[in-house]
Amino acid sequence: LAKTTQPISMDSYEGQEVNITCSHNNIATNDYITWYQQFPSQGPRFIIQGYKTKVTNEVASLFIPADRKSSTLSLPRVSLSDTAVYYCLVGDMNTGFQKLVFGTGTRLLVSP
Amino acid sequence: GAVVSQHPSWVICKSGTSVKIECRSLDFQATTMFWYRQFPKQSLMLMATSNEGSKATYEQGVEKDKFLINHASLTLSTLTVTSAHPEDSSFYICSARDYAGGSYNEQFFGPGTRLTVL
Repeated sequence: LAKTTQPISMDSYEGQEVNITCSHNNIATNDYITWYQQFPSQGPRFIIQGYKTKVTNEVASLFIPADRKSSTLSLPRVSLSDTAVYYCLVGDMNTGFQKLVFGTGTRLLVSP
Repeated sequence: GAVVSQHPSWVICKSGTSVKIECRSLDFQATTMFWYRQFPKQSLMLMATSNEGSKATYEQGVEKDKFLINHASLTLSTLTVTSAHPEDSSFYICSARDYAGGSYNEQFFGPGTRLTVL
């Protein structure tokens, strides 16, 4: 299983763009990159998933360089409610039994 | 998206008793579910993979006789913490992956169950 490395914490202010980078040097060919958000005392919530290049949805963008050894989650114009822990995970989406191993995550604090 | 539920959302029990936590996939069938444990300010730690109709696969260091997992149907997995002790107090989260359109989609997580052992 590919191991991921993220910054432990980040601080931002409302309205700013936040970019969280994740390193996954040992990513395998069939691995996808998935980001989850977790609020205290809640289960993780899916944010975005990608395999290569760029993926965008209504809440975030995911940038993946050609070598796929890292990825960057971009949150545009964060608000106070974006304060949470963000986890980057890699895993094979072609197998239902693929377990996901969580790293330390990045604790994002958004201030007024 | 798909929904995973857990019951109960919180439970308090006395030391030495057993506690059962249910995980259900509400609108999809899940042949595989996963159980995690999370201590305060820490990341999620995978405990075991629950396989429908067969034995669970436990991660290294997780006692299979302590944490009994049963996956009796395609929509229900249960985790029983046997002879619970205060150190078992934690936040337990389950997850399942939906298979649709010929491929597996993202893993959906339940809301978690807070276990407090007195």
